Amino acid sequence: RKEVEQDPGPFNVPEGATVAFNCTYSNSASQSFFWYRQDCRKEPKLLMSVYSSGNEDGRFTAQLNRASQYISLLIRDSKLSDSATYLCVVRGGGYNKLIFGAGTRLAVHP
Amino acid sequence: NAGVMQNPRHLVRRRGQEARLRCSPMKGHSHVYWYRQLPEEGLKFMVYLQKENIIDESGMPKERFSAEFPKEGPSILRIQQVVRGDSAAYFCASSPASGGEENIQYFGAGTRLSVL
Repeated sequence: RKEVEQDPGPFNVPEGATVAFNCTYSNSASQSFFWYRQDCRKEPKLLMSVYSSGNEDGRFTAQLNRASQYISLLIRDSKLSDSATYLCVVRGGGYNKLIFGAGTRLAVHP
Repeated sequence: NAGVMQNPRHLVRRRGQEARLRCSPMKGHSHVYWYRQLPEEGLKFMVYLQKENIIDESGMPKERFSAEFPKEGPSILRIQQVVRGDSAAYFCASSPASGGEENIQYFGAGTRLSVL
């Protein structure tokens, strides 16, 4: 079983749509959770950290369910510029290494 | 404040040659991480270093790969006797401190290694 699992997609949605991505992680000792965004052939960039209380940043909302070991990302009012691969990322106990999911591809079309 | 700087951006090597990838962390950051991304796959952790110390190398292949972060200068990821399977994007990240909720890692633009 992969440590972080995501639906690879692709999700093809029209502009203005709401889209949700899910992610599960296997290590219950994981301490920190993030969503990163990666454009084609570019480096990952932090989109947002994810907290147990849930957090929102503009059109983006992230949720964490520690009991179910489940993380989600909701994007409202999708823009063409949201087209990218979204990486679910977990930082484990002990050292600082990040464990990446394989990513979910999003394509927003006019 | 310059970001994480990696060079070269692209590196072409023939099988059996050595590859040296360099990474300068963000100003004020003392922790460096190396990750590898194979084509169509997610990033995989390789090694975590602080100045003059390897903290976690659990993701490093046992042979041919080594990393260092000297007291002065950039961190170096070294791959000896490269093989075609080493072709990948190698990303370096840095962070300011160890542990804590907000220990964010910032990534460089990566080095794309192609082995002919």
